[in-house]
Amino acid sequence: EVQLLESGGGLVQPGGSLRLSCASSGFTFGSYAMTWVRQAPGKGLEWVSSIGSPGDTYYADSVKGRFTISRDISKNTLYLQMNSLRAEDTAVYSCAKGGIGEAGLDYWGQGTLVTVSS
Amino acid sequence: QSVLTQPPSVSAAPGQKVTISCSGSNSNIGKRLVSWYQQVPGTAPKLLIYDNYKRPSGIPDRFSGSKSGTSATLDITGLQTGDEADYYCGTWDTSLNVGILGGGTKLTVL
Repeated sequence: EVQLLESGGGLVQPGGSLRLSCASSGFTFGSYAMTWVRQAPGKGLEWVSSIGSPGDTYYADSVKGRFTISRDISKNTLYLQMNSLRAEDTAVYSCAKGGIGEAGLDYWGQGTLVTVSS
Repeated sequence: QSVLTQPPSVSAAPGQKVTISCSGSNSNIGKRLVSWYQQVPGTAPKLLIYDNYKRPSGIPDRFSGSKSGTSATLDITGLQTGDEADYYCGTWDTSLNVGILGGGTKLTVL
């Protein structure tokens, strides 16, 4: 059974940093693209970043230069390092298995809330 | 303002059919595969359709997807109250080199 469990969210001041983790199980982690998607309160889903199975990375313009996606295949864990956080980054961040332009995001975690506020 | 355009809301009675559209461009829907997601408020999104029209295991055939040119469509037949949710289309944009999701459509089953 595929399971994705995010952690690392919380309250952070503007300009601060957080690192989100997504612990994965039930599939061969390194063989799949992985994706971060966020949802601001009361808003729709927003694609944030993806890492391909070879390790290539992609970012939304809104986070490029501030966020870094990475993975540790030995730990079956996906990460999102978030720096220079802004109020508009406040959202529930979810990891998902797959790439949105490929076979879709077939499994999702429950998400972790990031609140950027002073 | 999303690159993929969906109607904000649709509604229909139980048992009826509803169609949700997703309009894009040659650099996204016109070139790449489309997927659809269902999100019941307070829960994680679920993949409904991938590769334009394929259904994951466990998704009933009441849900169907199609694509023509730069637009994609999600059809839901035999509507049930449990289908009330937000629906999102998604794909890759080859010009922007980013993933994109539509703004979402809220389905109300009257």
